[in-house]
Amino acid sequence: GDSVTQMEGPVTLSEEAFLTINCTYTATGYPSLFWYVQYPGEGLQLLLKATKADDKGSNKGFEATYRKETTSFHLEKGSVQVSDSAVYFCAPLYNQGGKLIFGQGTELSVKP
Amino acid sequence: EAGVAQSPRYKIIEKRQSVAFWCNPISGHATLYWYQQILGQGPKLLIQFQNNGVVDDSQLPKDRFSAERLKGVDSTLKIQPAKLEDSAVYLCASSLAVYQDGAFFGQGTRLTVV
Repeated sequence: GDSVTQMEGPVTLSEEAFLTINCTYTATGYPSLFWYVQYPGEGLQLLLKATKADDKGSNKGFEATYRKETTSFHLEKGSVQVSDSAVYFCAPLYNQGGKLIFGQGTELSVKP
Repeated sequence: EAGVAQSPRYKIIEKRQSVAFWCNPISGHATLYWYQQILGQGPKLLIQFQNNGVVDDSQLPKDRFSAERLKGVDSTLKIQPAKLEDSAVYLCASSLAVYQDGAFFGQGTRLTVV
């Protein structure tokens, strides 16, 4: 069935470090791909998206590129800040009926 | 634009009791999702509606969970009877153009079953 696998957390980085959170998904059709973020005590928010192969989604300094050949959508940021501390979820949306599923989440902790 | 509204925010019940959650989606959003998020895990899709029809309920435990969406707007999710393992945050989300914009989430209802 449809599934998504994310890098296990928690990930602890120092401020200004480079971030990568890996995400791979099952290639059923051509899903739209999303990253959601959940800050402490808050609800899920859409961070960025890509709707077709080779698209690059970006927001708040985060980027992710839709890689159809490797069925991946890795999240990157060149220089993380303490305020980026949150849980990040990779979420493919499958074309068959618009089914949006989530990975298990990766907790990021950024230390000053 | 008002967001997705959910109530109550918190609920504590004893096992074997029943409970209901309510969701009011963003106006005009035809797609509505209910998710269960157990602590430390990602949200698990329980049921997806398109207007007032069910698109996917393959992971809904139908012996105890039920959901409805009357008139294609508000939705309720019910658990009867509750078990300890139902303790989780129940999230409602809605979307107008999900392939382009994804879904918008409410704050959730935190259920504790004791």
